[in-house]
Amino acid sequence: DVKVTQSSRYLVKRTGEKVFLECVQDMDHENMFWYRQDPGLGLRLIYFSYDVKMKEKGDIPEGYSVSREKKERFSLILESASTNQTSMYLCASSSQGGSTDTQYFGPGTRLTVL
Amino acid sequence: AQSVTQLGSHVSVSEGALVLLRCNYSSSVPPYLFWYVQYPNQGLQLLLKYTTGATLVKGINGFEAEFKKSETSFHLTKPSAHMSDAAEYFCAVILMDSSYKLIFGSGTRLLVRP
Repeated sequence: DVKVTQSSRYLVKRTGEKVFLECVQDMDHENMFWYRQDPGLGLRLIYFSYDVKMKEKGDIPEGYSVSREKKERFSLILESASTNQTSMYLCASSSQGGSTDTQYFGPGTRLTVL
Repeated sequence: AQSVTQLGSHVSVSEGALVLLRCNYSSSVPPYLFWYVQYPNQGLQLLLKYTTGATLVKGINGFEAEFKKSETSFHLTKPSAHMSDAAEYFCAVILMDSSYKLIFGSGTRLLVRP
């Protein structure tokens, strides 16, 4: 059974803190993604990675960075958290067999920045 | 430019009634099309997808969707709603020029009345 796990389901941080969100997949997938989900806006792509140490900006990368040192792990970093980064964060992965490949999602991390 | 439009942020049906969730896309070249479902406090799960071939696609839990190129639509239907279908549903596309990137609609929350 495919599995994408995220380090925390709920997280509360203070403005200005550095925040790490971790995502691990056990499917040997090449592609990994970070989205944020906000009511009425659907999911918006923050960053994605198609290989170890490779990353590409998505639609809303400002205020975020990522790290992919190992194939199975993709980290999202908020260098200095702000209240407008309060959101649900979803990680996903897919194989590199072509653009039709299904993305598998983790359960999400609900981040609150006070 | 909006690539995916879901009509209706909330849809309410009675148990046993037809479910119809609307999705339209804007692209001159037919994209790959997906429907995802998100149950409360969970990540997204693929319901069905259309890439090529038969335009009527059957998915899990009795859902199906029909790709209509002339109408640029990919509406999701289920003949008889069940209480367990209550969830948020997302239509998504992969445009031919966007490689791995899924573009999501804003989502439709389905409410099922007893």
